Amino acid sequence: DTAVSQTPKYLVTQMGNDKSIKCEQNLGHDTMYWYKQDSKKFLKIMFSYNNKELIINETVPNRFSPKSPDKAHLNLHINSLELGDSAVYFCASSQEDRPDFGPGTRLLVL
Amino acid sequence: EDQVTQSPEALRLQEGESSSLNCSYTVSGLRGLFWYRQDPGKGPEFLFTLYSAGEEKEKERLKATLTKKESFLHITAPKPEDSATYLCAVLTGSARQLTFGSGTQLTVLP
Repeated sequence: DTAVSQTPKYLVTQMGNDKSIKCEQNLGHDTMYWYKQDSKKFLKIMFSYNNKELIINETVPNRFSPKSPDKAHLNLHINSLELGDSAVYFCASSQEDRPDFGPGTRLLVL
Repeated sequence: EDQVTQSPEALRLQEGESSSLNCSYTVSGLRGLFWYRQDPGKGPEFLFTLYSAGEEKEKERLKATLTKKESFLHITAPKPEDSATYLCAVLTGSARQLTFGSGTQLTVLP
């Protein structure tokens, strides 16, 4: 009965590679998000996606692109990975204002 | 720019030793203040939402309060299982996105 799920849980890759993280929610929520948590535990919004409206945090490099095949899925694609992209990435969804978070994907770029 | 500051960064308590965590904020147009709990290696877990100054909410040993400038998370007679990082976040403006503080890492010793 997982509400928000992400795959993979861990991702180790080389600098310059392209990778994707998948997210699915079974809560019927209208809005989905991607957050990045750095090594200091600071959680920062990257994107929110609601009824095909994408709101992008202006600090997010354009190497990051969200893709939503349907209302229940919001995948994150990252091109040309850099060392500084190493972090934990959380998917979340909400119906009103309270996001429910997934378990996170730990990305390590070598 | 919205700012959320949590203090202390880390707090160690003996089991049964009550204390409070602080979340101060500087925002334009607060729509809601959220408290989450995050265990190591997991996603944030929702605890409370507070919408207006003077509001209080309780759950087991936790009580959250809100003023016009800050929120407190009071922990009464904590147990070791209360050990976690506690995150505070604010929702402002028309964008349905949270701005998080950097968290307070709570350790409760038996």
